[in-house]
Formats: sequence, C-alpha cells, structure tokens
Amino acid sequence: GAGVSQSPRYKVAKRGQDVALRCDPISGHVSLFWYQQALGQGPEFLTYFQNEAQLDKSGLPSDRFFAERPEGSVSTLKIQRTQQEDSAVYLCASSGKGQFFGPGTRLTVL
Amino acid sequence: GNSVTQMEGPVTLSEEAFLTINCTYTATGYPSLFWYVQYPGEGLQLLLKATKADDKGSNKGFEATYRKETTSFHLEKGSVQVSDSAVYFCALSPYTGANSKLTFGKGITLSVRP
Repeated sequence: GAGVSQSPRYKVAKRGQDVALRCDPISGHVSLFWYQQALGQGPEFLTYFQNEAQLDKSGLPSDRFFAERPEGSVSTLKIQRTQQEDSAVYLCASSGKGQFFGPGTRLTVL
Repeated sequence: GNSVTQMEGPVTLSEEAFLTINCTYTATGYPSLFWYVQYPGEGLQLLLKATKADDKGSNKGFEATYRKETTSFHLEKGSVQVSDSAVYFCALSPYTGANSKLTFGKGITLSVRP
C-alpha cells in the first residue's frame, strides 16, 4: 500500500485479556518503530526493528509487552494481561527517508 | 537522556494572525529536529525538519530554525489559516538516519478561528 496501515483501529479489552495489534509498513522499508501515545501526551518510543531483528526494546514498559516482525515486513505488538494503564494509542512507523506513521490503534482497557 | 519541552497550550488564534510555538530540547551531540502535525482524525505527518545547527526547515508557510546556542527549534508562521488547526509536536532524533528513534514533546493544540 501507499502508507503504513494498522489494525484494528480501535480495540476495547477487559482487564486481564491479551491483545495483538498489527502494523503493515510501507513496502521495502527496513526500519519499523512502535510508539505509545497516552492521552494528551506525545508519542513515546517502545521498540525498533531492522528487518526481522529487534534491535532496541528499551521502551517496552513491562514484560507483558512483546513485539515481533518474523519476516521483516508485518509487525505485531502483543500485550498480555492488559491493565488500565495500557490504555493509549499505539503508533507504528516505518522509515525510509524519514519516519512515516500509521493512523494508530486506540486501545481502551476496561 | 534526550528530552523535548514545548510551551503549554492550547493556543487559539484568529485567521491571519502570526504564530509562534516554542520548543526547546536537551540532547547530547548533534540531534536532528522535527515538527510533526496531527490534523483531526489523521495520523502524524512530518511538517518540517532540520539536521544541523542554523538550518531552517520550511513547509506550507511554516518555518523553524535550529538554534544550537539556545537549544531551540521554535515553529513560526506569518499568517495562519483555519486549516492549520491541528496538534503540533516537536521531536528530536539523536542522529540523522532511518534507524533513529524519535523523542517527542507533549504537543500543543492550535485552533484557528475565522
């Protein structure tokens, strides 16, 4: 596609459920980033992939957060045993000449 | 660590008014600086960038100059339009390159009234 796509656009989860958020980057982009944007805040870095290799996961807030990109294209961010503080917009960006952001997935944990 | 500080918002202006949105940063070395914009219902878009001191980024009538001596990258526009209403984020990356993560400010909401 022409841009970065993310699915689902909206996700409501009950506390304790597991969720999986998908990112389809721009074709051919080697670098892929995940960010978390809490309400009223700027995006905060979670993790970075170069092809299938996860080179930086320093921003993942806990071991409940896990990301993968097994074939170097589509990436999935998984959150286990969701908590209310996980409620945020999760942004994916792929990078060629500059970072291009997807529309985000708004996660609400009840 | 790296950080970005933006002026508190929101900002409300009349059409054709002059806009300044302040942004200062803390970083080691020579970061690249960015302004991103998020229009209602849309994703983050790069507005402009500067990669070294004294560079001026510009786009759509917006300008920002990379000032290393004051660690600032203030966004300006001479005459705002209603269509400029959006959330604006200042950001930095430690270096220029596709694999450099971004550190964002909190963002500021701009509303322009007719």
